[in-house]
Amino acid sequence: QKEVEQNSGPLSVPEGAIASLNCTYSDRGSQSFFWYRQYSGKSPELIMSIYSNGDKEDGRFTAQLNKASQYVSLLIRDSQPSDSATYLCAVKEGDRDDKIIFGKGTRLHILP
Amino acid sequence: NAGVMQNPRHLVRRRGQEARLRCSPMKGHSHVYWYRQLPEEGLKFMVYLQKENIIDESGMPKERFSAEFPKEGPSILRIQQVVRGDSAAYFCASSPPDGTQYFGPGTRLTVL
Repeated sequence: QKEVEQNSGPLSVPEGAIASLNCTYSDRGSQSFFWYRQYSGKSPELIMSIYSNGDKEDGRFTAQLNKASQYVSLLIRDSQPSDSATYLCAVKEGDRDDKIIFGKGTRLHILP
Repeated sequence: NAGVMQNPRHLVRRRGQEARLRCSPMKGHSHVYWYRQLPEEGLKFMVYLQKENIIDESGMPKERFSAEFPKEGPSILRIQQVVRGDSAAYFCASSPPDGTQYFGPGTRLTVL
């Protein structure tokens, strides 16, 4: 059973600090990794995708991937109250299948 | 380029009635996915379709639920003889061949 694990939280971070969200996955053959943000009552919104080991930066967001450790993370710098949401980690099963496995999400709460 | 469209946004049905949820993928996307989400829970994969083909329906309940993605027109998720436990948010996502999924706004189904 392929799995994507996230700490459900809530993770509370002071405004202006760095929020660090972590995710592990079980399928060593996974090739594509995604972070989605979901506000309460809304649909998931794609924030970042990452495909190779290392860091990928986009504005205040940095995704980090370590395939050897089967670990992917999302850093949010200069956290804002508007970043308060549930963050979903998603992993694409290997190269030959378009199915994505979602984690259950981590609730992030930015404290004003 | 319009995003993924879902309708209706809210649907109320009485027990025993049928619910039909529609999803129009983004232009150029040929892959459609349906998910169910209960309040305060994660996304649960239901079915993955390409035009006129069901690729993976491992998340679909064996009875009362069906999905299609015809050559012309939107994808349809059909729930027959709805029960209260079917009340949930149903999200559709579409993707190009690379598998990156983009979500529609969802349909909130309430079964009275």
